[in-house]
Amino acid sequence: DTGVSQNPRHKITKRGQNVTFRCDPISEHNRLYWYRQTLGQGPEFLTYFQNEAQLEKSRLLSDRFSAERPKGSFSTLEIQRTEQGDSAMYLCASSLQINEKLFFGSGTQLSVL
Amino acid sequence: GQQVMQIPQYQHVQEGEDFTTYCNSSTTLSNIQWYKQRPGGHPVFLIQLVKSGEVKKQKRLTFQFGEAKKNSSLHITATQTTDVGTYFCASDQGGSEKLVFGKGTKLTVNP
Repeated sequence: DTGVSQNPRHKITKRGQNVTFRCDPISEHNRLYWYRQTLGQGPEFLTYFQNEAQLEKSRLLSDRFSAERPKGSFSTLEIQRTEQGDSAMYLCASSLQINEKLFFGSGTQLSVL
Repeated sequence: GQQVMQIPQYQHVQEGEDFTTYCNSSTTLSNIQWYKQRPGGHPVFLIQLVKSGEVKKQKRLTFQFGEAKKNSSLHITATQTTDVGTYFCASDQGGSEKLVFGKGTKLTVNP
């Protein structure tokens, strides 16, 4: 068990560029979550998957954000036409089943200049 | 939608003092989880409470779930510098399966 892995750890981009993050969950975990966290705040829910199915997406999430989990393994989160307000830590977490504890990755820190 | 409110937002204590953070909801929670995030780190699961009135202990940490399942607390006895970090409560939103986090209580400990 290598834990939840996220890449890259840091991403600096210019406003208007597209970025993509990857998350590799713990191998036997069916559920995968994406959260966003800004300084001094708690993790804010973005979306989650049960295997390859995306079951819920936050209403706060603009259509510039898209996430996939092909084959129910790793997941990618893409942000198109980045804005400065997108700067945050993007956290991925996985769990074995519903209502079980989440295992978080170390996150991807995005800075939009 | 349902939210979990945490107080206080910040707490500074002297090493050896006790610390408590509270989590409150306007609606009944099916369960509550607590996480700790060290500075520069990611949230790490501490415990889950499910039953009304439940109390669980982990060494110096005591977790409680209210009788009405609308509030919870985390109490640390005799804080140590290793307790520094932000403590979050989290719960699912009724019929939703997503876990919603409070804003956290940031604990600093003066040695």
